[in-house]
Amino acid sequence: SAVISQKPSRDICQRGTSLTIQCQVDSQVTMMFWYRQQPGQSLTLIATANQGSEATYESGFVIDKFPISRPNLTFSTLTVSNMSPEDSSIYLCSVNEGSANEKLFFGSGTQLSVL
Amino acid sequence: GESVGLHLPTLSVQEGDNSIINCAYSNSASDYFIWYKQESGKGPQFIIDIRSNMDKRQGQRVTVLLNKTVKHLSLQIAATQPGDSAVYFCAENPRKTGGTSYGKLTFGQGTILTVHP
Repeated sequence: SAVISQKPSRDICQRGTSLTIQCQVDSQVTMMFWYRQQPGQSLTLIATANQGSEATYESGFVIDKFPISRPNLTFSTLTVSNMSPEDSSIYLCSVNEGSANEKLFFGSGTQLSVL
Repeated sequence: GESVGLHLPTLSVQEGDNSIINCAYSNSASDYFIWYKQESGKGPQFIIDIRSNMDKRQGQRVTVLLNKTVKHLSLQIAATQPGDSAVYFCAENPRKTGGTSYGKLTFGQGTILTVHP
């Protein structure tokens, strides 16, 4: 499977600031997905990032709060803007593989704490 | 709304025992299911998957069973080891009108598996 690297692995931020999370994949992939995992919770899809087009956001997530870049087929960034303590979560980058792109693989995540 | 849920949030077993983790799903149109293992501080790790045209699939020490009649999914781990201790998530791919959107998974609540030596 693809090797997915995320940076930073963790950060502690002040409310009102923004953090950009980077995701690097060791092979070219068409779609990259950003998920959020709130403390003690399951995973929720934030958006799908396609190279060359604007990201597609899920219900409850908006571009102004979570702007995404996808400059090429191996890299994406997710920014968490104007952070509040409620944004404290693990943010996970993922890519799909398999004969029908059905398997979803995840990076190690970014643990974000907002004070 | 549609959701994937788990019957048991925690499961404690002795090393060497077999473990069974259960998951109920509500979307009868889902055609693909995955089990993930998540260790502390790490991202979810793919364990095994199954398509809706199958009712059983085996891997190394793991078996996934799918019962579409009652919309139930289970993960069986044979000879459970302390290294199996983690949170286990089931996930489904709900089929969208006009095609399947792989990658946009709906995750269940998660079950904490603790293996005692």
